[in-house]
Parts: sequence; C-alpha cells; structure tokens
Amino acid sequence: GAVVSQHPSWVICKSGTSVKIECRSLDFQATTMFWYRQFPKQSLMLMATSNEGSKATYEQGVEKDKFLINHASLTLSTLTVTSAHPEDSSFYICSARNTQKNGYTFGSGTRLTVV
Amino acid sequence: GQNIDQPTEMTATEGAIVQINCTYQTSGFNGLFWYQQHAGEAPTFLSYNVLDGLEEKGRFSSFLSRSKGYSYLLLKELQMKDSASYLCALNYGGATNKLIFGTGTLLAVQP
Repeated sequence: GAVVSQHPSWVICKSGTSVKIECRSLDFQATTMFWYRQFPKQSLMLMATSNEGSKATYEQGVEKDKFLINHASLTLSTLTVTSAHPEDSSFYICSARNTQKNGYTFGSGTRLTVV
Repeated sequence: GQNIDQPTEMTATEGAIVQINCTYQTSGFNGLFWYQQHAGEAPTFLSYNVLDGLEEKGRFSSFLSRSKGYSYLLLKELQMKDSASYLCALNYGGATNKLIFGTGTLLAVQP
C-alpha cells in the first residue's frame, strides 16, 4: 500500500515551453504533497508544499509564477514548469504525506531535460 | 531556519560496519528520517526516530539525541548493494509536517 504514481518519468522539452508533471496517490488520500528538485550529486531541495484545495506554499527563492502547483483533489497534485530554460533541467520528485502510516511516500521522479 | 549536516562521502569495506552522522538545528521538531537513494531513483525509507535512543531494524539502526541535535545511521554487515546515498531528513514545523533533507552521504562499499 501507500503508492504515489509520478508521470512522466522523463521528458525532454524545448526552451520556452511548459511541462506538466503529475503525482497521484493511488491508495490513500494525500491532503499534503511536497515537491522537490534534485540536481546531480546534490540532495533533494524542497520547492513547495501543496495543500488540497488551497494555494501552495513556496520555499524561499522558488518562483511561484514559474513553478505552478495545483492540488485540486485529494489524490492529485501537478507541477507545471513554465517557460522552461536549460537551468531548469533537473530531477523532480513529489512526496505525499501519509497520515495513516506517519510517513512520506515518494513518487518515482521525473527527469526533465530542457534543450 | 533549519540546517542539516552530513559528511559528503564515506568509504567502507564489505562485511564491515559504518556509521553515518547527521547534525541538525531546527525549531518545531517532529521527527527524523533516514532514506537510502540510488542515483536517478526516489528515496527509500530506512528508519524514523521521534524519541531519543536507538531504533534497530535488521542490518540498519538509527540513533537520535534531540538535546544534541544529533542522529546517526549504523549499517552492519555491509554489502556491495549498500553503495548509495544516505539522506538524513528532518520532519519539522508542527502541523505542516515539512520534510527537508540533509546534504546526503555518498557511501561506497569496496570489496
């Protein structure tokens, strides 16, 4: 149990375009999801906290207009990277708070390459 | 703010024991997690400490001292497949339950 499905697993896009990444909790309700970014040989950096039915809370230094987060249901959160640039190329991972297990379940990650 | 420190890299020998340390500063401490991550994959849960003391789970053990802001992960009977990054993660912020990660320790297990 406690599975988070993240899609796509990898995507290549052109500079200036937008990319949407989805995370779905398959067998539990996730009122809170977290979005992370990980550059090579670095740790996971928290970008934002996504709460169902309300606006996301962004960490300092993360542009909310560039990284659009929508959490319209208890099982789905999306991250849209708008007007992507090569420096946005990274590994993006979502995580859902699982209150029943007092833990966090991670998606499998999305490798974004902007060319 | 929050701050989490770990050694960047460690090397150990197959069959040996290795201890990976983590020190942190935070307010609103809820608990501390340890994760294993292989390159290009999502983190895998290893352990969770809320109270002071040692939590043992098979070859892996984790220790927490809240007063010292200190934790360690102990790996016994090292295997080659244990070569990975080990991430200390802080659950903080009361009801918001944010999870932030330390710098991570890249462990190389050698024959």
